[in-house]
Amino acid sequence: GAGVSQSPSNKVTEKGKDVELRCDPISGHTALYWYRQSLGQGLEFLIYFQGNSAPDKSGLPSDRFSAERTGGSVSTLTIQRTQQEDSAVYLCASSLGTSNLYEQYFGPGTRLTVT
Amino acid sequence: AQTVTQSQPEMSVQEAETVTLSCTYDTSESNYYLFWYKQPPSRQMILVIRQEAYKQQNATENRFSVNFQKAAKSFSLKISDSQLGDTAMYFCAFIPGTYKYIFGTGTRLKVLA
Repeated sequence: GAGVSQSPSNKVTEKGKDVELRCDPISGHTALYWYRQSLGQGLEFLIYFQGNSAPDKSGLPSDRFSAERTGGSVSTLTIQRTQQEDSAVYLCASSLGTSNLYEQYFGPGTRLTVT
Repeated sequence: AQTVTQSQPEMSVQEAETVTLSCTYDTSESNYYLFWYKQPPSRQMILVIRQEAYKQQNATENRFSVNFQKAAKSFSLKISDSQLGDTAMYFCAFIPGTYKYIFGTGTRLKVLA
């Protein structure tokens, strides 16, 4: 079956603009996660969804970052008034549930470059 | 704090040789899961191997095996008979609670022909 997909694959934007990053999880996966991978860093947890609810937003770096999920499926990560330090690869993952028994399957990521 | 440390930013190995990537972690949890992920240039994170902390037996997956030392909080990955397709970034990670992965900063592995 299809894996996790993300769009766009690459996004270049000017500082101060808003961007939307999209994630399509694997069908039937109730849990969805967003991570950020900055150059030379590991993956940094941003937020996770169980269904349409986001019980843990603790990783969002500032109030310029927000995310939503609709219909228990597609999720959008929005970054407002982008800054150069927002440049990174944004990875989405999904899993059958939030127990650590369930493997997280990752998408290919969106590379965001803020100029 | 719960952390993962990968002390080797870059490594190289000759094709068909064996290489070991090191990983240490810190947690106060008693039960957790440990993972090695591979990230090739395509950026796709691929699960290589998984270890449950309550299991003493080291996990193996074909050419990939781990050396899990719970008391030392060490979780190294051994790749045997290295292949050119093993060239990638390798991340060590664990889940100390229910869902949130904690990742290391990665080791870039290059397999030389």
